[in-house]
Parts: sequence; structure tokens; C-alpha cells
Amino acid sequence: GQNIDQPTEMTATEGAIVQINCTYQTSGFNGLFWYQQHAGEAPTFLSYNVLDGLEEKGRFSSFLSRSKGYSYLLLKELQMKDSASYLCAVSALMTTDSWGKLQFGAGTQVVVTP
Amino acid sequence: SQTIHQWPATLVQPVGSPLSLECTVEGTSNPNLYWYRQAAGRGLQLLFYSVGIGQISSEVPQNLSASRPQDRQFILSSKKLLLSDSGFYLCAFTPDRAGSNQPQHFGDGTRLSIL
Repeated sequence: GQNIDQPTEMTATEGAIVQINCTYQTSGFNGLFWYQQHAGEAPTFLSYNVLDGLEEKGRFSSFLSRSKGYSYLLLKELQMKDSASYLCAVSALMTTDSWGKLQFGAGTQVVVTP
Repeated sequence: SQTIHQWPATLVQPVGSPLSLECTVEGTSNPNLYWYRQAAGRGLQLLFYSVGIGQISSEVPQNLSASRPQDRQFILSSKKLLLSDSGFYLCAFTPDRAGSNQPQHFGDGTRLSIL
């Protein structure tokens, strides 16, 4: 099974930086995804980490430490449109039972204030 | 390009009525297909997934069922809805039986309210 923990809510001001942590306990870990979900909308893919280290995509970066079961999503130069829920999701090594399945955390609601 | 379509966008149904939500994928063959439910303020709960026509795996016991009558069509059904079936239902796919390092792409979702 898998346990995925992330904070419920974080608040930051426009232009600031926010770091959303995600810890997981899983058997057969393969990789970790981050999704963004605006209220009332579907999640959209942000990043994927399979190896230890930092992946940077513009204002968003994601970090993974496989040995610590830990990831974070870093949002820089926050904009009002970044107000959304950010979901951490873990994928397992492929078996006939777990092909492509993801286990999602409950999400972190980021509120960006002026 | 690969796209996913899900309908309807919103649905209000009485308790005990049947349900049919449809999802179709374009631009890829042999996708993995998924149905999720998201309760208000909660994470995504995987309900069903499918790796091929007629191949359905159920993740949680419930009064819902899923079918895949065609390669790129995934249907979520119920014979008699319960109040607890209210939620935001999302269909997702990974293209062409991609491995677990490929992101899932979601449809726009169906907001289901049971009265």
C-alpha cells in the first residue's frame, strides 16, 4: 500500500516563493507526479520525477529524494493564477496489477494573496 | 493530437436512479483508461482502470461498474444511485499502454449531485 502526506493549505503573497512538501511510504516506488487543479476543474500535469534531484520547468521546480521518501514542488514568482490545489501522486513499478496506476495525495490548497 | 472527452459536465440525479457517464479518447490506440471520484476538498480516489477492451479492474467495492466496449471508450454506470455517489468524476488516460512513467491526462470531469 501507499501513504502520501502533504499539507492541507498554504498561503503566500504574490511574487513570493512557496514550497509544497510531499512524503510517501510505498512498496515498489517508481516515480512521483505533481498536478495542479484549479477549483472545479480537472487536474493538469506539472512535473514528473523518477531520479533523485531537481527538475526545473520555468517558475515551477520539483525535487525528489527516493531514499527519504520525500518530494517538494517549488513555485517561484507567485502569481494570482497559481491559486489552486497541488496534488502529489506516486506511481508504482509496473506489474500486471499496477499498470500505470497512481496513488494521489489529498492535495495542498495554495492561496496567493495580493 | 491526443484528446479526451467526457460528458456530461454536470448531472443532477435522484436517489435510486441509474447512471451512465461516458469517456472517449482520440489520437491514440490501446490507451490505459481510468475512472476517479473526487469528493469535495479531497484527493482523487481511483475507482476503475482498464488496460484493454473488456478488461476492467475495480479498486473499491461500491455500487458502480465500468465497461470498455471499444478500445477508446470507457463507461461508468450504476443501476441505483446512492446519496454517497455524489462527487466529481474524472476520466483519465495514458496513451498506448504507456509505462508508469507517463502522466495521466484528465477529461474535464462530471459533477454529479444526488438528490
